[in-house]
Amino acid sequence: EADIYQTPRYLVIGTGKKITLECSQTMGHDKMYWYQQDPGMELHLIHYSYGVNSTEKGDLSSESTVSRIRTEHFPLTLESARPSHTSQYLCASSVVGDEQYFGPGTRLTVT
Amino acid sequence: GDSVTQMEGPVTLSEEAFLTINCTYTATGYPSLFWYVQYPGEGLQLLLKATKADDKGSNKGFEATYRKETTSFHLEKGSVQVSDSAVYFCALMRYSTLTFGKGTMLLVSP
Repeated sequence: EADIYQTPRYLVIGTGKKITLECSQTMGHDKMYWYQQDPGMELHLIHYSYGVNSTEKGDLSSESTVSRIRTEHFPLTLESARPSHTSQYLCASSVVGDEQYFGPGTRLTVT
Repeated sequence: GDSVTQMEGPVTLSEEAFLTINCTYTATGYPSLFWYVQYPGEGLQLLLKATKADDKGSNKGFEATYRKETTSFHLEKGSVQVSDSAVYFCALMRYSTLTFGKGTMLLVSP
């Protein structure tokens, strides 16, 4: 059973607000990922990290930023939320070369 | 670049019917192949995987065989249940990066 957590599970927020989506894992995995899932179900990689102090942008350009100060923690921040940011955000982690374990997701709605 | 193509849904079946969801891929080298499942309101769960040609992954009655000659990894189940209703994603992995298909929704009615 994978132990990866995301908070909040649901968030409704107004335009212009700053938000941080939390992701934590207790498995000691080096690699962590953020995906954006659009209403049509398709998954897009927006950020990933190979380890502490390492962050990279994914395939889909995103206005969000990430940080990796601790192995277990990989938060995603939006400085100024917009309605176009409304989506489901999924966090995942893995050992290098092995399958990814996913958290339950955060469903973000920006009004 | 790498890509995964899976059949569009929704796939609608009656309980106990046979399921096939087609998945083909394009990639250089020898990727690992995965099927993930997403139940409503949840994240993705690994369903099964195969790491080399001719490997068969299996779990919970689902099976898929890594076919290098046809670059395919079709998902099958002999008798689906209502509880199998979910979205299924085929994916390949190279260098720890997953490339997903667009997902196939499965709806099983009693």
